[in-house]
Amino acid sequence: GAVVSQHPSRVICKSGTSVKIECRSLDFQATTMFWYRQFPKQSLMLMATSNEGSKATYEQGVEKDKFLINHASLTLSTLTVTSAHPEDSSFYICSARVLAGARGNTIYFGEGSWLTVV
Amino acid sequence: QKEVEQDPGPLSVPEGAIVSLNCTYSNSAFQYFMWYRQYSRKGPELLMYTYSSGNKEDGRFTAQVDKSSKYISLFIRDSQPSDSATYLCAMVAGGGNKLTFGTGTQLKVEL
Repeated sequence: GAVVSQHPSRVICKSGTSVKIECRSLDFQATTMFWYRQFPKQSLMLMATSNEGSKATYEQGVEKDKFLINHASLTLSTLTVTSAHPEDSSFYICSARVLAGARGNTIYFGEGSWLTVV
Repeated sequence: QKEVEQDPGPLSVPEGAIVSLNCTYSNSAFQYFMWYRQYSRKGPELLMYTYSSGNKEDGRFTAQVDKSSKYISLFIRDSQPSDSATYLCAMVAGGGNKLTFGTGTQLKVEL
């Protein structure tokens, strides 16, 4: 079963509004989670690394004020797309790294969230 | 030169065939190697995770790592139409956090 849950799986919002996507690790604690964006027929593009209790680290070219990341607990990270525009429409995927145990250093992905901005 | 090279395909095979998917990499710091399967419009699903050179088997899947050649492979035996997906290799440096992905190989298993 899924070890990383992402919600919502699909969202449609109006241009100018904000949308929040949640990423939860279900059976492990994740001090580090990652947020990706994926365009059709392309590989995943890392947007930012989310660290529990501290500021996220954004990749070059990713607007931190546009894509707000909060990692308030060891099992939850959220991505908020602020003032969304049609060009923000994409598939957003989170992942979380297992630190310890038999699955140590394994990275699991969520099911992804489709965002459509109209 | 990309850190991880992977043939994007598409690769088309008949049902029951053995599929070989490969990636090469240039960064010797990579220590952990993963293969993910991604169906269209879904998040990647972890298939195999390996650390050391050698083979690791799980059901119809075998992951192979050759650190001396910087080459990893995923073999799928008795391929099924349900195996049709994009397969991504990914790797992490020791002590690192970020995955470095290959571009993904699109596989189609035909009846």
